[in-house]
Amino acid sequence: DAGVTQSPTHLIKTRGQQVTLRCSPKSGHDTVSWYQQALGQGPQFIFQYYEEEERQRGNFPDRFSGHQFPNYSSELNVNALLLGDSALYLCASSLFPQNAEAFFGQGTRLTVV
Amino acid sequence: AQSVTQPDIHITVSEGASLELRCNYSYGATPYLFWYVQSPGQGLQLLLKYFSGDTLVQGIKGFEAEFKRSQSSFNLRKPSVHWSDAAEYFCAVGGRTGANNLFFGTGTRLTVIP
Repeated sequence: DAGVTQSPTHLIKTRGQQVTLRCSPKSGHDTVSWYQQALGQGPQFIFQYYEEEERQRGNFPDRFSGHQFPNYSSELNVNALLLGDSALYLCASSLFPQNAEAFFGQGTRLTVV
Repeated sequence: AQSVTQPDIHITVSEGASLELRCNYSYGATPYLFWYVQSPGQGLQLLLKYFSGDTLVQGIKGFEAEFKRSQSSFNLRKPSVHWSDAAEYFCAVGGRTGANNLFFGTGTRLTVIP
């Protein structure tokens, strides 16, 4: 049983560019949440997708957007990258409505130069 | 507004010694509480969670945590630490929908010395 998988594992982008990160949830899960973890900090909630719609959103600008596909996989898009967007981006999946446990992927390390 | 405080940024313990990591939370309703562990460059692994019921919860790898409503605390404990426990530990509080929207503390880095 595959857990949560994220791709790519690492990438480097230039300031002002756009980036897309991908996440496949754990088998049987239908809800995907995205988190940003800056160096030395705890993860911060970006948003959550269920039934292909954004259901909750944290305190992140509109440059951060997402999508969920019918197979429950998800993408995180960040436009107009800033140096401060450099972080580990974590995807977590859970099963609605209990959502008793969120399983995390290994993350995508984004470096903006 | 919800918040989680982990007052200890870094803790060093000897292998075989006991461990307690502190966590205090602020939340307007009955919280859902979690402890996660993160090894360097890795994602988060759930150690244990509290939703309701018995306030002492058992987790994986010999960890346990006690929910104390009066103190707004959810401290993590382990009676005997192993070198492999060295990692970053995060306490998190979830909203009324469980683990959907987790609010994390800043973490406690555990170093284990032989």
